[in-house]
Amino acid sequence: EAGVVQSPRYKIIEKKQPVAFWCNPISGHNTLYWYLQNLGQGPELLIRYENEEAVDDSQLPKDRFSAERLKGVDSTLKIQPAELGDSAVYLCASSADTSYEQYFGPGTRLTVT
Amino acid sequence: AQKVTQAQTEISVVEKEDVTLDCVYETRDTTYYLFWYKQPPSGELVFLIRRNSFDEQNEISGRYSWNFQKSTSSFNFTITASQVVDSAVYFCALSKYSGAGSYQLTFGKGTKLSVIP
Repeated sequence: EAGVVQSPRYKIIEKKQPVAFWCNPISGHNTLYWYLQNLGQGPELLIRYENEEAVDDSQLPKDRFSAERLKGVDSTLKIQPAELGDSAVYLCASSADTSYEQYFGPGTRLTVT
Repeated sequence: AQKVTQAQTEISVVEKEDVTLDCVYETRDTTYYLFWYKQPPSGELVFLIRRNSFDEQNEISGRYSWNFQKSTSSFNFTITASQVVDSAVYFCALSKYSGAGSYQLTFGKGTKLSVIP
């Protein structure tokens, strides 16, 4: 069974530029998560989807971050415009249910210069 | 509020030594779940174990074992006869009910384990 797929793996952009990350969850997993992981820290939730609906986006900086999950499968996380402080690893995860274990993708390492 | 504390930031052991990674959590809920994840240098978080709050039995899986003690709010992870491939950052996480049938996961800051050949 294929795991969570993310692309790109690495992205380097200049500040004020837009950037987008893509995630394909494990087949059959209705719940999808986007996390932010800073160096030396654990992942922090940005947004959680149940099918197409964003049910927890309280930690998403909505002035510059946006996300969508069309058709309840793939998801895209966008930052516009990017700031230097956005440099981090962006992780996507999926689970069959929120009480079950989450399976993570390899992440996208973003560097903003 | 829920909180997960991994007091050990970094640990180094020599190959074949046993090592225990500590995890202490805080929650007022009676129903919750505890997890351990491994993050090797490649970066992908790998699920290791899930334990619900009503099951305090210790678990062993090969060289890995977990000791869950509700009385001390701890969920410690022991690797027996460590190997170089065990070198990674290990995260403990707590999932508690957040309403509307959903659970919210909170991670500790992780413990970096280095196994020296």
